[in-house]
Amino acid sequence: EDKVVQSPLSLVVHEGDTVTLNCSYEVTNFRSLLWYKQEKKAPTFLFMLTSSGIEKKSGRLSSILDKKELFSILNITATQTGDSAVYLCAGDSGGGADGLTFGKGTHLIIQP
Amino acid sequence: GAGVSQSPSNKVTEKGKDVELRCDPISGHTALYWYRQRLGQGLEFLIYFQGNSAPDKSGLPSDRFSAERTGESVSTLTIQRTQQEDSAVYLCASSQRGGRLSELFFGSGTQLSVL
Repeated sequence: EDKVVQSPLSLVVHEGDTVTLNCSYEVTNFRSLLWYKQEKKAPTFLFMLTSSGIEKKSGRLSSILDKKELFSILNITATQTGDSAVYLCAGDSGGGADGLTFGKGTHLIIQP
Repeated sequence: GAGVSQSPSNKVTEKGKDVELRCDPISGHTALYWYRQRLGQGLEFLIYFQGNSAPDKSGLPSDRFSAERTGESVSTLTIQRTQQEDSAVYLCASSQRGGRLSELFFGSGTQLSVL
């Protein structure tokens, strides 16, 4: 059974801090790993990672994948209160369901 | 439409009643997914539609749950004889397929509360 585990489950930091969110995966026929930011209800897409060691960057957010050790990290530098959200990691499998296996998410709270 | 649209945004129902949730995917997206998210939990896969292929129903938790999709358009998720444990946010997502790597676009979800 495919599994995605995120850590920590929750994290409280102060504005300006840098945070690292972790995602480990066991996904059959792994194709890609995706990160989403969920504020209120709708998750919004952040990154899709397919190759090891290649950092993807968008503003203060960056992410990298390690396909040997089966994990990914999401970094947020100079955090702002607007970064407060649940960050979801998902493994994309080429299996029968042809869908994504999601982790439980990391609930990030940025205090002013 | 410009994005994935779900309705209603909130639904309160009594235990034992049937409910129907609607999802209108992005035009041209062949793949459509339903997920359930209980409070404080991750997304739980329910069902997947890809074009005109038979849907993957492997995530449906019981026979009280069913979903339909006509072609590549609107989908409805039906929950019969609702139970309190069905209370959750039901999220719909769509994506393009056909050799491309996936990227899901989510709707804003339906918050279902079963009293």
